[in-house]
Amino acid sequence: QVQLVQSGAEVKKPGASVKVSCKASGYTFTGYYMHWVRQAPGQGLEWMGWINPNSGGTNYAQKFQGRVTMTRDTSISTAYMELSRLRSDDTAVYYCARDRRQFSGYDSIDYWGQGTLVTVSS
Amino acid sequence: QSVLTQPPSASGTPGQRVTISCSGSSSNIGSNTVNWYQQLPGTAPKLLIYSNNQRPSGVPDRFSGSKSGTSASLAISGLQSEDEADYYCAAWDDSLNGFAVFGGGTQLTVL
Repeated sequence: QVQLVQSGAEVKKPGASVKVSCKASGYTFTGYYMHWVRQAPGQGLEWMGWINPNSGGTNYAQKFQGRVTMTRDTSISTAYMELSRLRSDDTAVYYCARDRRQFSGYDSIDYWGQGTLVTVSS
Repeated sequence: QSVLTQPPSASGTPGQRVTISCSGSSSNIGSNTVNWYQQLPGTAPKLLIYSNNQRPSGVPDRFSGSKSGTSASLAISGLQSEDEADYYCAAWDDSLNGFAVFGGGTQLTVL
């Protein structure tokens, strides 16, 4: 069965960076784009971007351009999302989530990780 | 401020039919399909409807979706207590390189 297992909660100071990992299993990692979506406390969902695990190509939401970097390590079926220059309003649960359609980053999202809480506080 | 507009709340009694609306624009809903997600408290979202009206395996047929022009809606018939959750619509937007947009979410209460 498809599983996305994320790294644990993080506490960071403003200005620091955070890197969240997402280990995939139960399917061919390179066949499905991986999205990153975040949710601030009590707020809605916000798409951050995706990575094509096959090519390493990325598509970032304009809001995060210059601050976010999505990478992957195909040898261990793991995707990463690094967010730099953290601010207090980056406090949120960060989800990795798989695109439903093979070789597409523009369908829906069918599997989600459990989420990683990132807290930014001085 | 979300790109897609949903009512912040909705409610119904068990057995009732409830609809949740989602309004967008020509660059998102008007040009692309709509997906719906259900988020139970404290859990990750779950795909409920994709491609406007398709249900993933395991989603009861009490849930249905539709789209017309730049708006979409989710209908839940035979409302059950376990349907109490947050519901989000989503679509791709053709602006820039293409990006996903979500509605602000609708909190459904089963009275």
